[in-house]
Amino acid sequence: EVQLVQSGAEVKKSGESLKISCKGSGYTFSNYFIGWVRQKPGKGLEWMGVIYPGDSDTRYSPSFQGQATISADKSINTAYLQWSSLQISDTAMYYCARPVSPMAIRGAFDIWGQGTMVTVSS
Amino acid sequence: QSALTQPASVSGSPGQSITISCTGTISDVGAYNFVSWYQHHPGKAPKLMIYDVNKRPSGVSNRFSGSKSGNTASLTISGLQAEDEADYYCSSYTTFNTRGVLFGGGTRLTVL
Repeated sequence: EVQLVQSGAEVKKSGESLKISCKGSGYTFSNYFIGWVRQKPGKGLEWMGVIYPGDSDTRYSPSFQGQATISADKSINTAYLQWSSLQISDTAMYYCARPVSPMAIRGAFDIWGQGTMVTVSS
Repeated sequence: QSALTQPASVSGSPGQSITISCTGTISDVGAYNFVSWYQHHPGKAPKLMIYDVNKRPSGVSNRFSGSKSGNTASLTISGLQAEDEADYYCSSYTTFNTRGVLFGGGTRLTVL
């Protein structure tokens, strides 16, 4: 079964660092982009960026460039989203997702992780 | 880079059909046939319902269909059912500023 399993919920303080993970299984992890999507409480979905684990090619939405870092370790089929200094405004559900087609981004993500809730307080 | 424009809410009675629009620009919806639609129930992961404008993933009901004209894409749900009540998001590939993805603001579907 193709699936993405994300790390568990996190509760952090403003200014702390954090790295959440997304582990793929059931397919050749290196061949598909992994995207990250944010949903703030009561708000819509926002595309943050993607990474191609095969060569670590990474692309960010202009809205998220410099806000968080996307990385991947293809040896353990895992993608990451990390912050060096969390802000209260980073409180959100974060989803990782895999696109329908290998080696391509077309906006069509058919496999989603269960989501990781990140709560940041002052 | 603005989100794609969707109506905030739509509603319909069981058995009826509804259409949700998604308006973009010549840099995204109008440029590529890479429009997708997602169904999102609170507390669950989004589910891909339509991709490449009008393709349905395996397992998605044929009550869901997609189309596009110019810079506007549409999702039509026919034979509305109670379980269709959810938030729906469109997305499109874009090359404006980056080669990436834009989401719409989301539409809350209420089945009356």
